[in-house]
Amino acid sequence: GAGVSQSPSNKVTEKGKDVELRCDPISGHTALYWYRQRLGQGLEFLIYFQGNSAPDKSGLPSDRFSAERTGESVSTLTIQRTQQEDSAVYLCASSLSGNQDEQYFGPGTRLTVT
Amino acid sequence: AQSVTQLDSQVPVFEEAPVELRCNYSSSVSVYLFWYVQYPNQGLQLLLKYLSGSTLVKGINGFEAEFNKSQTSFHLRKPSVHISDTAEYFCAVSLTGTASKLTFGTGTRLQVTL
Repeated sequence: GAGVSQSPSNKVTEKGKDVELRCDPISGHTALYWYRQRLGQGLEFLIYFQGNSAPDKSGLPSDRFSAERTGESVSTLTIQRTQQEDSAVYLCASSLSGNQDEQYFGPGTRLTVT
Repeated sequence: AQSVTQLDSQVPVFEEAPVELRCNYSSSVSVYLFWYVQYPNQGLQLLLKYLSGSTLVKGINGFEAEFNKSQTSFHLRKPSVHISDTAEYFCAVSLTGTASKLTFGTGTRLQVTL
């Protein structure tokens, strides 16, 4: 079956604009994660969704960042009033459940804020 | 909070030579350990993981890693590399008994040449 997909693959935006990034997880996967990868750095955890439980938002860097997930399907990550330091690759992953199952990663969205 | 250190940002090696990619972690509680690989223009893929049991873990593509609790290390090894192993390798940890959000190292670029 299809893997995790993300759109757009690349996004260039002006400072101050809002952006919305989309993630389609693998069908049947109840857990979904967002990570951020800045140039030359490791991946940073942003947010985690598991079924109908309240999401773990402990990694969101500021209140400009928010994410939603519709049931156990699509998730959108929204960044409001983008800043240049938001430039990064945003990666989405999904797993069958949240219990140490393998996380399957999407190809990422490269965000450039000018 | 847990952290992961990958001291080598780049490791050049000739084809058919052995390689070791180093990973050290810091955590006040027990962790699970992972190695992911990112081939050029592709998403991250799980190579192997240590959850419990034998400290020597074998993964895909001939890679293996050994968990050393006393040295808080989880080094990745392969006895003979191929050109196709050229990629970025990430070590990651998650806390046992919690949700699966991963903390990643900054990555090691393995460059295999003839």
